[in-house]
Amino acid sequence: QKEVEQDPGPLSVPEGAIVSLNCTYSNSAFQYFMWYRQYSRKGPELLMYTYSSGNKEDGRFTAQVDKSSKYISLFIRDSQPSDSATYLCAMSDNTDKLIFGTGTRLQVFP
Amino acid sequence: DTAVSQTPKYLVTQMGNDKSIKCEQNLGHDTMYWYKQDSKKFLKIMFSYNNKELIINETVPNRFSPKSPDKAHLNLHINSLELGDSAVYFCASSRPLRAETQYFGPGTRLLVL
Repeated sequence: QKEVEQDPGPLSVPEGAIVSLNCTYSNSAFQYFMWYRQYSRKGPELLMYTYSSGNKEDGRFTAQVDKSSKYISLFIRDSQPSDSATYLCAMSDNTDKLIFGTGTRLQVFP
Repeated sequence: DTAVSQTPKYLVTQMGNDKSIKCEQNLGHDTMYWYKQDSKKFLKIMFSYNNKELIINETVPNRFSPKSPDKAHLNLHINSLELGDSAVYFCASSRPLRAETQYFGPGTRLLVL
């Protein structure tokens, strides 16, 4: 079993939809939870990070962490075609090492 | 203006050759990383350096040798390339023990024939 599990998708939604992306994990030592966006043939770009449990909002993006369930989510409101990308969750205990999920491919069609 | 840059962008080579990938960051970070992304998009850490000192070495074959001439540069040398080395290699940087704020380079696409 991988330390971080993520549904690979693809997830296809119409423009304006609310998108929910999720990851589960097994290591209770993880303290930092990140979401990266990766466009085709580009490097991952940090979208948001959260420390420990709770919610964090940034514009159309909301990250949620539920440490008791070992479950994290990224919500995208009013999705746009420009949001079409692969979304990678990543986690870390208090070290330099990030453990990534396999990524979910999102397609937002006009 | 590029924060983390890598050269070359593409690398096509024959099995058995030796090749190097270079990485530079202008963010003033002390910690740099090499990641490998396979064909299924799975991103896995290979190495990390903090101020030129090796911190993480993730069971990578000895054919892979990172070198950090200064804290702004981290190069990756690969000896005796194998077909299975074909992947996208990403460099990243962050402040020490702030892995949650890693910035990635654009990647080097390596194809071994």
